[in-house]
Amino acid sequence: NAGVTQTPKFRVLKTGQSMTLLCAQDMNHEYMYWYRQDPGMGLRLIHYSVGEGTTAKGEVPDGYNVSRLKKQNFLLGLESAAPSQTSVYFCASRPTYYLQGLFFGSGTRLTVV
Amino acid sequence: GNSVTQMEGPVTLSEEAFLTINCTYTATGYPSLFWYVQYPGEGLQLLLKATKADDKGSNKGFEATYRKETTSFHLEKGSVQVSDSAVYFCALTDNNNDMRFGAGTRLTVKP
Repeated sequence: NAGVTQTPKFRVLKTGQSMTLLCAQDMNHEYMYWYRQDPGMGLRLIHYSVGEGTTAKGEVPDGYNVSRLKKQNFLLGLESAAPSQTSVYFCASRPTYYLQGLFFGSGTRLTVV
Repeated sequence: GNSVTQMEGPVTLSEEAFLTINCTYTATGYPSLFWYVQYPGEGLQLLLKATKADDKGSNKGFEATYRKETTSFHLEKGSVQVSDSAVYFCALTDNNNDMRFGAGTRLTVKP
């Protein structure tokens, strides 16, 4: 049972480069999320989606774009990477019944130099 | 806006010691509260939850009680083990669409 899968696991980018992080879930969850984790700041919500074809901004959306073309996939894009986007990125999903909590992937460590 | 404040770590305890990790929250409505745990190299996992005032969430020997009067949801365990070493996150949601997390508290348990 794969759960939530994130690719890639590690990436180094140069300032100004672009990339897409892929999140895939096989649990048929409606809701999907992208968070970033920085030391001393916990997890901050970047964008989320409440269903296929929908997206919404979280706490720190600037510099990122997302798409949810298929229910099982949630893509996070960085159009022009900046050193401030160096972080660990986590994708999560959850079923409609929110009290089951979020199911997380294992993270993508991104370094922008 | 909604927010969660956790006690700063790191916390280092000896095996079988009592654990408390403090968590307080700010919310405009009536949030549901959660504790998540993150083991090294992994994503977060739900540890326990509570949905209304005076509810007690519990799992794997951990407990937390939803205290509306003090806006708190402190995590406790009576006797920690080395395997409990991890980072613990307090979180809340009040609109059921997004989950807000605290900064995390790193716990190290020594044999």
